[in-house]
Amino acid sequence: AQKITQTQPGMFVQEKEAVTLDCTYDTSDPSYGLFWYKQPSSGEMIFLIYQGSYDQQNATEGRYSLNFQKARKSANLVISASQLGDSAMYFCAMREAGNDKIIFGKGTRLHILP
Amino acid sequence: DSGVTQTPKHLITATGQRVTLRCSPRSGDLSVYWYQQSLDQGLQFLIQYYNGEERAKGNILERFSAQQFPDLHSELNLSSLELGDSALYFCASSVPGTGELFFGEGSRLTVL
Repeated sequence: AQKITQTQPGMFVQEKEAVTLDCTYDTSDPSYGLFWYKQPSSGEMIFLIYQGSYDQQNATEGRYSLNFQKARKSANLVISASQLGDSAMYFCAMREAGNDKIIFGKGTRLHILP
Repeated sequence: DSGVTQTPKHLITATGQRVTLRCSPRSGDLSVYWYQQSLDQGLQFLIQYYNGEERAKGNILERFSAQQFPDLHSELNLSSLELGDSALYFCASSVPGTGELFFGEGSRLTVL
């Protein structure tokens, strides 16, 4: 069955440092997609980055990169040079090719300190 | 602006009542997803429609129902409301191919 696990309920990081948010997943489908979303305190859900299970390279979008380790079933989000505006809740999500569900982890609340 | 429209943005009602939440997906998106986010919780998948047909179902209560209409807008009906139904309800539409979700701003339901 699909499962997403985010083990860090909260993190505090100094501004300008790099941050790694952990995400592990479980699926029996060989074809799947992994996503990260950001939810600021205002509540909206903002798409950050996508990684397909057959993608050869790790996805990158600006300061965001996804450290995809398929054998370990992990899809960690790396934020480089963190900014105060990065303070938010971050959710990892997964979609299986054979299943229209997209499920989310419980999230990690990131606090960037000045 | 994601292009996904949800109404109403806020709703306050009493226990036992029924409400309807409405969602219009982005132009061209055929899939609509509904999620429930309770206070400080993750997003719980409720149900998904594709071009008018139910495609996937999550932990949706029997008191809740949804449908997607021919014009692709969707409605989530919540009945016999309980205090625990207070939450932020998100609708999202999906990009064909990757399945990337574009979320509406959510409907915040408060049950008193």
